[in-house]
Order: sequence, then C-alpha cells, then structure tokens
Amino acid sequence: EDQVTQSPEALRLQEGESSSLNCSYTVSGLRGLFWYRQDPGKGPEFLFTLYSAGEEKEKERLKATLTKKESFLHITAPKPEDSATYLCAVQEVSGGYNKLIFGAGTRLAVHP
Amino acid sequence: GAVVSQHPSRVICKSGTSVKIECRSLDFQATTMFWYRQFPKQSLMLMATSNEGSKATYEQGVEKDKFLINHASLTLSTLTVTSAHPEDSSFYICSAVRLAGGPNAAADTQYFGPGTRLTVL
Repeated sequence: EDQVTQSPEALRLQEGESSSLNCSYTVSGLRGLFWYRQDPGKGPEFLFTLYSAGEEKEKERLKATLTKKESFLHITAPKPEDSATYLCAVQEVSGGYNKLIFGAGTRLAVHP
Repeated sequence: GAVVSQHPSRVICKSGTSVKIECRSLDFQATTMFWYRQFPKQSLMLMATSNEGSKATYEQGVEKDKFLINHASLTLSTLTVTSAHPEDSSFYICSAVRLAGGPNAAADTQYFGPGTRLTVL
C-alpha cells in the first residue's frame, strides 16, 4: 500500500539550532514530492516540488532534498517564525487528477 | 505564487441546515480542484476531486449526497454540506491545480485556499 511517513511527529528547537525533517515514501512510481507549510487555522502554503532523486531546492532557511526513498527538509538557523506544521505529500505516476498522498506532518516549534 | 480563495472563512450554523463553501482560483485556471477536511492536529483528508464540467469523484466513505460538489467554471468550485450535523464540524480546505501552460504557477502543483471553519450547533 502506498504510504508517506513523516518523522519526527513533533520537534522543538532553539532559535539558531539547525535540524532536518524526514519524509519517507513508498509508491509505485513517483511523479513528484511536495513540501507545504501549514500555520494553525490556515491552509497549507506551497514550499517546494521535487521530481527526481538527487534534486535539491532552497528557499531562505529551508532546503529540500530527495532520494529514491525519502526526502529531507533541512532548516538552517531557524527563527521563531519558522514554527509551523510541515507537510510532505507525494503524487504518483499512476495517480489520477494530480491526487496527493499526504503524510501526517511534523509540528515544529522554534523557541527564542 | 498562485492564489486560491475560500469563502466564507468561518461559518456557524444550526443542525439540519445546509452550508455552501466557495473555492476560487484567482490568477489561474484550474480544471481540477480538490476538497479536504482536517480535524485538529491531524493531516488533510481528501474528500473528493472536482473536475470542471463533470461529476466529482468522491473518496471511499464520503457521502456524495451529503457533500455536494459543483465545479461550474475553470475558477470556481463549491462544496455544499447538506443537512449539517455537529459531527460535520471541521476545517474544510480546497486546493486548485493550475492548468498546464498557465503563466504564474508551477505545473501539477496544488495551491491551497485558506480554509473554512464550519461549526454546526
């Protein structure tokens, strides 16, 4: 069965303490892997799309990487405003209508 | 990035009434939109896929007669919760997939609306 697993479930960091979030996936064929950020009471905000193993993308303090089995979201020198839930989702080659399979998310809290 | 709006952002209604939620893609056309619901501290649960000009495709366990979806144009999809009950109280979020070839958004990416908080008394 296709599955997307994110770890850790929750992460508490001190401001400036870099870390990584993990997203492992098992799908029959990956069309794309997506990272979103979600603040409480709001819809997910698009961050990155990764399409093939070895690909990397960066945006400010965030960098997303992709292998054949997992993706990492690296957060460098985080600030309190980076606190949010980070969602990973995959789109299958065989999936219809651009359907996404979401992980449960990682709740990140960055403390000053 | 692409912008998706939802209206209303918050609604409180009495049990037994129907509620309509609108989802609009503001700066791109979307042949496909999705409707999700989300419970506190849980991830998004896909309810249905909405395709412009055709019937929606519902996920297993989602009652199509209770959650009516209409995708009337390339920029508008609506979700109507009919005869709402307290157990329908949730956060409803829509997303839109940009039509390939559009100017402002990456292909195949779902852009999400801000969500609608529904409370049924």
